[in-house]
Amino acid sequence: ETGVTQTPRHLVMGMTNKKSLKCEQHLGHNAMYWYKQSAKKPLELMFVYNFKEQTENNSVPSRFSPECPNSSHLFLHLHTLQPEDSALYLCASSQDRLAGVTGTGELFFGEGSRLTVL
Amino acid sequence: AQTVTQSQPEMSVQEAETVTLSCTYDTSENNYYLFWYKQPPSRQMILVIRQEAYKQQNATENRFSVNFQKAAKSFSLKISDSQLGDTAMYFCALLKGGSEKLVFGKGMKLTVNP
Repeated sequence: ETGVTQTPRHLVMGMTNKKSLKCEQHLGHNAMYWYKQSAKKPLELMFVYNFKEQTENNSVPSRFSPECPNSSHLFLHLHTLQPEDSALYLCASSQDRLAGVTGTGELFFGEGSRLTVL
Repeated sequence: AQTVTQSQPEMSVQEAETVTLSCTYDTSENNYYLFWYKQPPSRQMILVIRQEAYKQQNATENRFSVNFQKAAKSFSLKISDSQLGDTAMYFCALLKGGSEKLVFGKGMKLTVNP
């Protein structure tokens, strides 16, 4: 496995379900991100983790709960979602924090998890 | 606040031709970075090219080059000798120095026709 992998690639869930999205990076990076990509809208940053610590929560509703057990794995736990939460959820990683002096600003993305909430 | 605007939602170009994608942005910062990312159909988004705002020289990566007009807050991407594999969504993005938040435009769909 190389790069950033996300599972599942597609997920359909009801509004009362609980599910999780998983992301794994094999690049030895220290920072990981969740982005939401909706049609006709810019990518929206949701969460940032650096060395397993959350450094950014972009006013995301509590029905989205991130978890970062180590620098290589990132989860997004989903609970009682709304139909408007249907989107492509992208995981990304970077060598260091984008804000750090050594950061290049380059993000490495996974292929995304396409979520449909019925 | 930082904003990025891509006013052209869609473009097409013939193979081997040159195409320019436009992007404008707004920021009050002096220290920032600009990026073009490419997202092919059903594939990962990847970085195409990066420009530091403090550099006057336009960045170039093989067939890809930018026209960075700082005063006009414009950051266009030129693709020379277009190839079928260039078909993708292209996103312009801005990163304020010291920030974790990469701000993206809405994207532009480029189709390269044979």
